[in-house]
Amino acid sequence: DGGITQSPKYLFRKEGQNVTLSCEQNLNHDAMYWYRQDPGQGLRLIYYSQIVNDFQKGDIAEGYSVSREKKESFPLTVTSAQKNPTAFYLCASSTPGTEQYFGPGTRLTVT
Amino acid sequence: AQSVTQLGSHVSVSEGALVLLRCNYSSSVPPYLFWYVQYPNQGLQLLLKYTSAATLVKGINGFEAEFKKSETSFHLTKPSAHMSDAAEYFCAVSDLKWGTSYGKLTFGQGTILTVHP
Repeated sequence: DGGITQSPKYLFRKEGQNVTLSCEQNLNHDAMYWYRQDPGQGLRLIYYSQIVNDFQKGDIAEGYSVSREKKESFPLTVTSAQKNPTAFYLCASSTPGTEQYFGPGTRLTVT
Repeated sequence: AQSVTQLGSHVSVSEGALVLLRCNYSSSVPPYLFWYVQYPNQGLQLLLKYTSAATLVKGINGFEAEFKKSETSFHLTKPSAHMSDAAEYFCAVSDLKWGTSYGKLTFGQGTILTVHP
């Protein structure tokens, strides 16, 4: 079955540590996206990529980094510079003419 | 710039009652509008989308929405609520030309729907 995989489902880290969230899709979509979700704030765009080896900052990119070395993969690194990293992170993908398809999400807790 | 406002962060209905979730948008170009549903600790699933065809859009699970340009609204309705409809619902707008580019979505804050027996 085609879809988007995010791992792990739950992630716990100590403050000051970088952490990488995985996102893989087998939908053959060119574009991929990372969103952050906080209660009552909807989804906010962190980074997006429309093609391999290229990506753009979204609305809240500070403290995050991404790479896009393969079409199928778009990992997100939450760095120690991100002031409030605890959140639910959602990955999505799309192709022209379709809506965005979402993965199941990763809940990150930093203490 | 585009924006989305969902009126009411929480809506509560009885099973069998009408569901009405409100969404108003702001966009400088003809909008493309979406409703997504999210169950606890899961990703988002598309309910329906408006891409400048029919103004009344039918989606999955008996939901529908009507695009009203004069009111800049895209409210979501379902005639009869079911317990399984309890979830969080997000309205989103994209101002990129549908079918020729990639949609960057702007989301509303979400509305949590509770269904009472």
